[in-house]
Amino acid sequence: DQQVKQNSPSLSVQEGRISILNCDYTNSMFDYFLWYKKYPAEGPTFLISISSIKDKNEDGRFTVFLNKSAKHLSLHIVPSQPGDSAVYFCAASASTGNQFYFGTGTSLTVIP
Amino acid sequence: KAGVTQTPRYLIKTRGQQVTLSCSPISGHRSVSWYQQTPGQGLQFLFEYFSETQRNKGNFPGRFSGRQFSNSRSEMNVSTLELGDSALYLCASGQGAGTEAFFGQGTRLTVV
Repeated sequence: DQQVKQNSPSLSVQEGRISILNCDYTNSMFDYFLWYKKYPAEGPTFLISISSIKDKNEDGRFTVFLNKSAKHLSLHIVPSQPGDSAVYFCAASASTGNQFYFGTGTSLTVIP
Repeated sequence: KAGVTQTPRYLIKTRGQQVTLSCSPISGHRSVSWYQQTPGQGLQFLFEYFSETQRNKGNFPGRFSGRQFSNSRSEMNVSTLELGDSALYLCASGQGAGTEAFFGQGTRLTVV
């Protein structure tokens, strides 16, 4: 039962353009969402988070948008850089616990 | 401050053996969670400890167990290893529900 889904396994973007990574969830109890970046054989690195009381959170080149009615969130990276090439995971949790449910990841390739 | 430290980084074990993995969380973090990452299943939640108590447990067999010490350090034990236990095991620490979790580099376990 995959409660967090990333339907695009991969994405290629030209350097300098916008990268948009999408994530859908099914559990309406989720109220805290995060994005992680991961390189092979390393642990995920925290990028940005958003709570359900907001619909947007920005940190430098990274912006996360949350659409609660659609149970959808997205990560925008502007401008994309070759160093952004990695696998991106979205994760969700409910305030009742500290268990994160992860999507299966989207592999982003930024082409120089 | 120091990040999450996992030891060892790599481990090769034989079927039927047992293994213990260690995780030292970020100073001040009382929540420690463990995840298993495999190519087919993504990141799957194993369990979470907070102040030495297991608060949440994922859908894994009883061969997977853990504990947390008074200094918040945590260990994970897998008994009677199976080939399918080969995976990257990740530890994450945080301050509790509704806050981000920071991951260690992981322990790559190979069962032969």
